[in-house]
Amino acid sequence: RKEVEQDPGPFNVPEGATVAFNCTYSNSASQSFFWYRQDCRKEPKLLMSVYSSGNEDGRFTAQLNRASQYISLLIRDSKLSDSATYLCVVKGTNAGKSTFGDGTTLTVKP
Amino acid sequence: NAGVTQTPKFQVLKTGQSMTLQCAQDMNHEYMSWYRQDPGMGLRLIHYSVGAGITDQGEVPNGYNVSRSTTEDFPLRLLSAAPSQTSVYFCASQSRTGFAGGAFFGQGTRLTVV
Repeated sequence: RKEVEQDPGPFNVPEGATVAFNCTYSNSASQSFFWYRQDCRKEPKLLMSVYSSGNEDGRFTAQLNRASQYISLLIRDSKLSDSATYLCVVKGTNAGKSTFGDGTTLTVKP
Repeated sequence: NAGVTQTPKFQVLKTGQSMTLQCAQDMNHEYMSWYRQDPGMGLRLIHYSVGAGITDQGEVPNGYNVSRSTTEDFPLRLLSAAPSQTSVYFCASQSRTGFAGGAFFGQGTRLTVV
């Protein structure tokens, strides 16, 4: 079993839709959680950190469920520019190491 | 604002050749890492460093060496290139304490081994 698992998608949604991605992790000792965005043939860029209490940044909401060991990303009012691959990242007790999921691809269509 | 700089951006090697991928950051970050990304897949950790003089293996270290003589630089050496090492390589750096621990990535090196 992979340490971090994501639904690869692809998710194809119309503009204005709400879409949610989930990510599960296997190490219950994991301490930090992040969502990154990666555009085609570009480097990953940090989208948002994920806090236990949940956090929101504009149209994006991230949630962490430690009991069930999953994190989620909700995108409201999808824009064409949201089309990208979204990577779930988990850090354990060794702060120098991050484990990436394989990513979920989102395509927002007019 | 240079951030993380990787060179070269593209490279073609013949099987058996060696080379060094360069990575430099100007943010005084303690942590640096090397990842490879194969088509349709996520990033896999090759080696990482938590400070100058300290390195450790990641998930897929075989065939690669690293060193960290300064805070700024973290080169990745391919000892004897193989076609299986054809991939996109990303270097990343992050602060031990800042920005909730998120990482900044270089633009990547696209390596083809023939």
